Amino acid sequence: GDSVTQMQGQVTLSEDDFLFINCTYSTTWYPTLFWYVQYPGEGPQLLLKVTTANNKGISRGFEATYDKGTTSFHLQKASVQESDSAVYYCARSNSAGNKLTFGIGTRVLVRP
Amino acid sequence: GALVYQYPRRTICKSGTSMRMECQAVGFQATSVAWYRQSPQKTFELIALSTVNSAIKYEQNFTQEKFPISHPNLSFSSMTVLNAYLEDRGLYLCGARDQRQGNSDYTFGSGTRLLVI
Repeated sequence: GDSVTQMQGQVTLSEDDFLFINCTYSTTWYPTLFWYVQYPGEGPQLLLKVTTANNKGISRGFEATYDKGTTSFHLQKASVQESDSAVYYCARSNSAGNKLTFGIGTRVLVRP
Repeated sequence: GALVYQYPRRTICKSGTSMRMECQAVGFQATSVAWYRQSPQKTFELIALSTVNSAIKYEQNFTQEKFPISHPNLSFSSMTVLNAYLEDRGLYLCGARDQRQGNSDYTFGSGTRLLVI
């Protein structure tokens, strides 16, 4: 079925390091793809989304490209800050656009 | 802006008892409400999707008999975990959106964390 595969575990970085989180999706059609961020004690917040294949989403220095060829939607940030420490979830919509399927989540820890 | 509040934030219940949690949408009309569960070491699992004036649709492995949901108006929803056991522990998230707004996304609350003892 439709799914999202995301690198799990924890990524530990220092401030100003480059962040890359892997995400791929499996599907027979082209869903809307999302990245959500969850800070401690809070619910997930939408970070960025892309509805059209081969487009790029950009928000708060983060970016992700909807790559139809590799069925990927990797998240990147050129220079992380301590405040970026959180859990990041890749997600996709269903065909009706009313349900989200989340990846396993990747915890990012940025040391000052 | 659009906000979703959930309460209680955290609760403990004895095994075999029931727990009701609430979800309040502020700043928009919640025509659709999705309830998710995040069990320890797992991602968010959709329990059910509720749309005002439509039947509530439960996902596989979740039933109305176990997780009855109420969605009486465009700002409120509640869900009860009946006969809670250890495997029901986790973070229960409510996400709401106005599906009439063509490109609206879900806004999530901070969740209700359920501990079962």
